[in-house]
Amino acid sequence: RKEVEQDPGPFNVPEGATVAFNCTYSNSASQSFFWYRQDCRKEPKLLMSVYSSGNEDGRFTAQLNRASQYISLLIRDSKLSDSATYLCVVGGLYSSASKIIFGSGTRLSIRP
Amino acid sequence: EPEVTQTPSHQVTQMGQEVILRCVPISNHLYFYWYRQILGQKVEFLVSFYNNEISEKSEIFDDQFSVERPDGSNFTLKIRSTKLEDSAMYFCASDPRGQGTGELFFGEGSRLTVL
Repeated sequence: RKEVEQDPGPFNVPEGATVAFNCTYSNSASQSFFWYRQDCRKEPKLLMSVYSSGNEDGRFTAQLNRASQYISLLIRDSKLSDSATYLCVVGGLYSSASKIIFGSGTRLSIRP
Repeated sequence: EPEVTQTPSHQVTQMGQEVILRCVPISNHLYFYWYRQILGQKVEFLVSFYNNEISEKSEIFDDQFSVERPDGSNFTLKIRSTKLEDSAMYFCASDPRGQGTGELFFGEGSRLTVL
């Protein structure tokens, strides 16, 4: 089983739609969880951290389900500028505290 | 806003040559990382570095690779005897808090092309 697994997409949705991405991770000892965004041929950039209680940042909502080892990202009222690849990131294992692992990414394309 | 800077932005080299990729992390950050991304593939962890030594490394990071922080600011990745499959984008990242928090600040990357 892959350490971090994501649906590769692509997701192709109209502007204004709500879209959700999922991610699963294999190691139950993982401590920290994030969503990053990567534009084509650019570096990854932190979008948001994911907390156990769930957290929201504007149109973006992230959820963590430790029991199912599952992370989600919801984007509401999607904009053209949201088109990118969204990377699920897991880190902070006790035995490998600085080994931060990226998922393969889910590609999102927003159409006008 | 402070940023991670990487040089060169693009390097073309012949198979078998040595390459050094350079990074200047954000100055008060504690952990430093190298990742690579082969075109169209995932961002792969290579190595993390803390307190002037390797903290973690992946199975990709074999004897062909080495990292150094020679002068307290630069953080370098050396690839000895490059192979065709080393062609990739290499990203340097730094973490302000360390201990695998995952809040990484990435440089714009160095694209390595091995011919």
